[in-house]
Amino acid sequence: DGGITQSPKYLFRKEGQNVTLSCEQNLNHDAMYWYRQDPGQGLRLIYYSQIVNDFQKGDIAEGYSVSREKKESFPLTVTSAQKNPTAFYLCASSTRDGTNIQYFGAGTRLSVL
Amino acid sequence: SQQGEEDPQALSIQEGENATMNCSYKTSINNLQWYRQNSGRGLVHLILIRSNEREKHSGRLRVTLDTSKKSSSLLITASRAADTASYFCASADWGNKLTFGGGTRVLVKP
Repeated sequence: DGGITQSPKYLFRKEGQNVTLSCEQNLNHDAMYWYRQDPGQGLRLIYYSQIVNDFQKGDIAEGYSVSREKKESFPLTVTSAQKNPTAFYLCASSTRDGTNIQYFGAGTRLSVL
Repeated sequence: SQQGEEDPQALSIQEGENATMNCSYKTSINNLQWYRQNSGRGLVHLILIRSNEREKHSGRLRVTLDTSKKSSSLLITASRAADTASYFCASADWGNKLTFGGGTRVLVKP
């Protein structure tokens, strides 16, 4: 099966803790993205990467970090500096064909204990 | 960057009726896309319209684009209960980024 796999589906964070959300794709896409979605809202871009070992901040990068060591993987760390982390996190990927049609994972719902 | 705006925020219709939703965006675009999201799931791409196109059809979907007004509309004809979802427009800039609207929640009653 080709697609994007996000794990875990649900995640709980304690105060002061860093947590990492996994995103893996086997679509051979160059570009990958992380979005945050708050209830009843649209998606806001956290970070994106167009190529291995390179990534750029999106609109709401503060309190988050990423790495892109492999083409298939783009993990997102929610750090303790992110004071309001409760949200639905979506990972996506796209080819570099000029359309930027994005393919999404099923999401990770993060809550604070 | 600010998100685009979608209108209405929510829409309730009977099965068989048409659903129309509108989207405005702020900057010059390469294309505009529409996505669907079922509750608690990821987004699925529905249709793309390029900046030099004015109208596009795909099955029961019809999309229009007016670049002079920086607006787009999505029409779903002959709606079905399975069309119940949130619909998002996304404007694609000339780089590799999408800017999403706030979404329209559509409820199709059987």
